[in-house]
This record gives sequence, C-alpha cells and structure tokens, in this order.
Amino acid sequence: DTAVSQTPKYLVTQMGNDKSIKCEQNLGHDTMYWYKQDSKKFLKIMFSYNNKELIINETVPNRFSPKSPDKAHLNLHINSLELGDSAVYFCASSLRGYGYTFGSGTRLTVV
Amino acid sequence: AQTVTQSQPEMSVQEAETVTLSCTYDTSESDYYLFWYKQPPSRQMILVIRQEAYKQQNATENRFSVNFQKAAKSFSLKISDSQLGDAAMYFCAYRGLSGGGADGLTFGKGTHLIIQP
Repeated sequence: DTAVSQTPKYLVTQMGNDKSIKCEQNLGHDTMYWYKQDSKKFLKIMFSYNNKELIINETVPNRFSPKSPDKAHLNLHINSLELGDSAVYFCASSLRGYGYTFGSGTRLTVV
Repeated sequence: AQTVTQSQPEMSVQEAETVTLSCTYDTSESDYYLFWYKQPPSRQMILVIRQEAYKQQNATENRFSVNFQKAAKSFSLKISDSQLGDAAMYFCAYRGLSGGGADGLTFGKGTHLIIQP
C-alpha cells in the first residue's frame, strides 16, 4: 500500500495548457502539502491544507490552485502553463507536523 | 523567516569511511524539529533522521547520527561506514512548532554526496 501517491509521475505539456496533478494519502494525516523542486534541486513549499482549509499560500502565481475534496486528497491545478513551471512537484502529508511522508514526485515538463 | 543553510554543495567520501554533512539554520523560535532527508536518483524523499530541539541527546539511526548544537544553531549529519547506497542528495530541513505543523518544512539547498568505491 502506497502511503502518499501522486499521479501522474511524468507530465509533458505545451505552454498555455491547463493541467492537474492528483495526490492521495492513506495515512490518516491531518495536513497535506505541495512542494516544488526546481532544476537546481531546491525544494520550496507552495501550499498546505489542514482539515480542508488552506493554511499557507506562499508567493506562487495564482495560476496554481490547490483543491482538496477531503482530508485524504490534495490536488494541484495549474492554468496557462509557462516554461518556468517545469519542475518536480511533490505532495506530502503529516500528522500535526511531526512526521512528513512524501509522494514520489511528478516531473512536469512544459514545452 | 527561518532559513536553512547547507554550505557544501558536494561532498565525496571513500566507501567504508565516515563523512559529515553540515547544516546551520536561523530561527527566533525556541522549540522546533530538524530533519535530514535523503533523495537518491529515484527522486523519492526518504527521512534519514529527526531531532527535536528540546532534546539534548543527539539522535541516531544505525549508521546515521547528528551533532545538534542548539546555541550555535548547527545540525550536522554524520554517516559512518559509508556505503554505495548512501550516494544521494541530502537535505537539511527545519520545522517550527508555532504553526502547529501547517507551515511545513523549510529546506536547505542540499548536499550531493558521492561515494567512491
């Protein structure tokens, strides 16, 4: 059983398209996150959701929108994709921030 | 805002030897957690070790141990008896406790560890 699963693992798309990345956790954790890892491997938090409420919204473009239908899911929707959005996106979850479990990442390539 | 600094972009060590990866952080909080994560080429983020700031005893996990110096805001990772499978990017991360876990992890820029056979 995969604890945090995200789909797809790879996504290649053209500039201007809209795409979504899905994330699901089966750990019963109360908080879920999206992180972006850029080409230099730097990891930065984008969003977190706690009990379906957005807690953090870092300085990311409003083309990015997290959507959480329930505690176990946090999807990332991206509008009007740009070349600079190419990166690896990680979903993660935690229980009150004590332990973090990461998904395997989605490599997004915008061409 | 908290910052995490890893001053060694790349380190190289001979198999079976010991290597220490450095990490310093800046925070005004008195209670927090510190982590080391490993990211092999598979890109999976794997928790190596965790340290609670209120604990004076350094955390250990088999061949991995930390040297936590709270006053100096230093959190180094020591890997003993290095193995080829230890080759990876290593990230130091910080989590403050004021946000109740919702503020996630702040990462350093990572250290690429190379193991020489």
